[in-house]
Amino acid sequence: GNSVTQMEGPVTLSEEAFLTINCTYTATGYPSLFWYVQYPGEGLQLLLKATKADDKGSNKGFEATYRKETTSFHLEKGSVQVSDSAVYFCALMTVGAAGNKLTFGGGTRVLVKP
Amino acid sequence: DAGITQSPRYKITETGRQVTLMCHQTWSHSYMFWYRQDLGHGLRLIYYSAAADITDKGEVPDGYVVSRSKTENFPLTLESATRSQTSVYFCASSSPGRGTGELFFGEGSRLTVL
Repeated sequence: GNSVTQMEGPVTLSEEAFLTINCTYTATGYPSLFWYVQYPGEGLQLLLKATKADDKGSNKGFEATYRKETTSFHLEKGSVQVSDSAVYFCALMTVGAAGNKLTFGGGTRVLVKP
Repeated sequence: DAGITQSPRYKITETGRQVTLMCHQTWSHSYMFWYRQDLGHGLRLIYYSAAADITDKGEVPDGYVVSRSKTENFPLTLESATRSQTSVYFCASSSPGRGTGELFFGEGSRLTVL
C-alpha cells in the first residue's frame, strides 16, 4: 500500500535558521506529492505540491523537489521566521476509480524561537 | 465565502452514546473526506465520498458511519462512542482531476469520549 514517512519532531530552530524536513514515500504508480501546513488551532492548508518527477514546488519561501529515484520530497526553507511555527505534513495522492485519495505522513512539529 | 464548516467544534460525550459530527461545504466539491488526527499517527482517513450517495471506507472506518444525501453535506456518526475515538476530526473537500489534489480542510472538531 501507499505510505509516507517523515522525520519526527519537534524540530526547534532559531529565527533565520535553515529548515529541512525529510519525507520519503512508497507508492505504486506515479503519485502527486504535497506539503500541507497546520497552524495552531487551524485545519491543514496546502503549502506546495509537485505532480511529476523533478518538479519543484515552492511557496512562501519553502521549496520541495520531487525525486523519483530516491522516492523523496524533502521540504526546505532558507531562513525561517517565528510565524513558520506549525506542524508540517507530507502527503501523496493517488488517483483511482474511487477518486483521489491523500495519504499523509505523521507530521513534523516545527518551533521557531526568536 | 463560508468554505467548509464543521460542527460542533468541541464535544464531550460518554462511552456508548451516539455522536454526529457535521460537515458542510459551499463550493460544490465532488469529493469529501473525514480524517482523524492523533498524536503519533498524523492524519488517518476514515471515510471518503466521490459524490452524493457514493461513499467508501478509508484506513480506519470501524465504529463510524457516513452518509451523503446532498453534495454539500457529509456527516460522520459514531454509533456507540468509545474512548479510543477521542480525537480531532477534520472534514475536507476537493475537486476531481488528476494532479489537483488540493484538499480544503475545516477547522476541526475536537471530540472527547469519557
